[in-house]
Amino acid sequence: QQQVKQSPQSLIVQKGGISIINCAYENTAFDYFPWYQQFPGKGPALLIAIRPDVSEKKEGRFTISFNKSAKQFSLHIMDSQPGDSATYFCAARLRDRGSTLGRLYFGRGTQLTVWP
Amino acid sequence: DTGVSQDPRHKITKRGQNVTFRCDPISEHNRLYWYRQTLGQGPEFLTYFQNEAQLEKSRLLSDRFSAERPKGSFSTLEIQRTEQGDSAMYLCASSWGDSAYNEQFFGPGTRLTVL
Repeated sequence: QQQVKQSPQSLIVQKGGISIINCAYENTAFDYFPWYQQFPGKGPALLIAIRPDVSEKKEGRFTISFNKSAKQFSLHIMDSQPGDSATYFCAARLRDRGSTLGRLYFGRGTQLTVWP
Repeated sequence: DTGVSQDPRHKITKRGQNVTFRCDPISEHNRLYWYRQTLGQGPEFLTYFQNEAQLEKSRLLSDRFSAERPKGSFSTLEIQRTEQGDSAMYLCASSWGDSAYNEQFFGPGTRLTVL
């Protein structure tokens, strides 16, 4: 059972375009939603993260939009560049409650290709 | 380099053999996590340590898997009697502090291939 559902599986965008990746969840006990970027042969690296008490967070060209009522969140990459070509994972973490602290649930990933 | 390191980076073994992986977290990080990532999937949680205490284990961690973190520093993940289904990337991550919001820093992973 996939706790966090991610789409699309792959995405091709022209340089300068906007890349949008969507995620959805069901468990209302999630209260922290990070996005990770992974290049081939590397481990995932935190890109940006949001808590459900805000609807949007922006860091440079990367923006997370969060819809708590719909239990959905998305990553927007503005002015996409070839160097952004990577696999992106959304994730969610359970609210602090003892031994479940820290465990991340990941989506299946989106392979982004930005054409020059 | 002061990031999370993992050794070996690649391991090829025959079915039935035992393998052991090592993870060195970022210095002074008190939390250490193991995840498994198969091709085309996101990382899946295996187990978690706070200092030397193993606080949670996923149902994915069968009896053939064991993890340790002696002295709360490096950690090892051992797989006994490997099966082809164990072929995956094994990722280690570490974080600091008591908050669930503290960033997990991932290592480069150990890619296991079971023939």
